[in-house]
Amino acid sequence: AQSVTQPDIHITVSEGASLELRCNYSYGATPYLFWYVQSPGQGLQLLLKYFSGDTLVQGIKGFEAEFKRSQSSFNLRKPSVHWSDAAEYFCAANTGNQFYFGTGTSLTVIP
Amino acid sequence: EAGVTQFPSHSVIEKGQTVTLRCDPISGHDNLYWYRRVMGKEIKFLLHFVKESKQDESGMPNNRFLAERTGGTYSTLKVQPAELEDSGVYFCASSQEQGVGNTIYFGEGSWLTVV
Repeated sequence: AQSVTQPDIHITVSEGASLELRCNYSYGATPYLFWYVQSPGQGLQLLLKYFSGDTLVQGIKGFEAEFKRSQSSFNLRKPSVHWSDAAEYFCAANTGNQFYFGTGTSLTVIP
Repeated sequence: EAGVTQFPSHSVIEKGQTVTLRCDPISGHDNLYWYRRVMGKEIKFLLHFVKESKQDESGMPNNRFLAERTGGTYSTLKVQPAELEDSGVYFCASSQEQGVGNTIYFGEGSWLTVV
């Protein structure tokens, strides 16, 4: 079955520390991959997407993600986290007209 | 350019009542989607409109949910009668194109609480 897995339900990091959020997908072929962020009281905002080509993609707010076919992963990274990055992050895969989302990772940033 | 807008942003209703959620897509976007996130669960697809036609409604949970998009512009999602398990965030999204690799843009969500 097609699925997107985010193994970490909740992560806490210190401001200024690096961040990596994990995402694994399970599909027959390479899907198109996305990361969305939902800040408190806000909607889903697109951070970045991977369609093809360079496996390291840059997004907004200083985020990047790396696609690794061998590991079926699309992990999100940021070298230095800011307090405003506290939010919920969703990985998603698109294989047609539907998007399949992971369960989300909630990020807490401590001073 | 205005994004996807949803109304109401929050709604608290009693079990058995009716609620209607509205979504205005980005202007010019023929494709409109409804998604739902129940607390702690993944965001799940409900249905997809292309203009006024339902392209895919395979995610609609049961016949208490009715979605319409008359005229191919805004859409409504009605829950009647509402049950406790319907509580969650209902996201609307729209896109210009459809198909693999297409980017969809989400609204801020309508937060529904059924008590």
